[in-house]
Amino acid sequence: DSGVTQTPKHLITATGQRVTLRCSPRSGDLSVYWYQQSLDQGLQFLIQYYNGEERAKGNILERFSAQQFPDLHSELNLSSLELGDSALYFCASSVARDRGADTQYFGPGTRLTVL
Amino acid sequence: QQQVKQSPQSLIVQKGGISIINCAYENTAFDYFPWYQQFPGKGPALLIAIRPDVSEKKEGRFTISFNKSAKQFSLHIMDSQPGDSATYFCAAKGPGGYNKLIFGAGTRLAVHP
Repeated sequence: DSGVTQTPKHLITATGQRVTLRCSPRSGDLSVYWYQQSLDQGLQFLIQYYNGEERAKGNILERFSAQQFPDLHSELNLSSLELGDSALYFCASSVARDRGADTQYFGPGTRLTVL
Repeated sequence: QQQVKQSPQSLIVQKGGISIINCAYENTAFDYFPWYQQFPGKGPALLIAIRPDVSEKKEGRFTISFNKSAKQFSLHIMDSQPGDSATYFCAAKGPGGYNKLIFGAGTRLAVHP
């Protein structure tokens, strides 16, 4: 158990809908990362937050957005869903200070199925 | 320059054999190279990691070999066991605590008894 929690574990929805995925980082970790894993794309970095502020963006679609709240949990919002958005969505957390710990700990993921 | 190339895509090894997975990178600013192990339906879990100031790191049956001049690193799994059957991802990260991980495409390892 990495200490990172994600809910829900599974999500089935229809095209055009909007969903919210939730992540709670490990105790003490200030940085949250979101990754998308699909069969043909591997693990793709989406976005990173550090202590409530957006730090880096990857291959995140405009239909997707995220935020990190004062209690450090994060939510990934996916809207106008398409079939191709079906994937595993992972959250990871790290201490993310300027020097030192680089290890990212991954949660168990949310499997999104868009029908 | 941000890519990490991983090979092979899949690997079959007999129990007790050595599994070798290779990765190559271009960005010389990368300073942290972890390997993650992922079982079906689970999140990736950190297996072992190395920084470019050392050429080898060993933890139990798992060894990372690092060749800075060639910009390559590899994972060796000694005495491979059926329980090692999983997907392995190499990754690289830039300096500082804030950078994202760049993952290789993954290697699906099957260890046959």
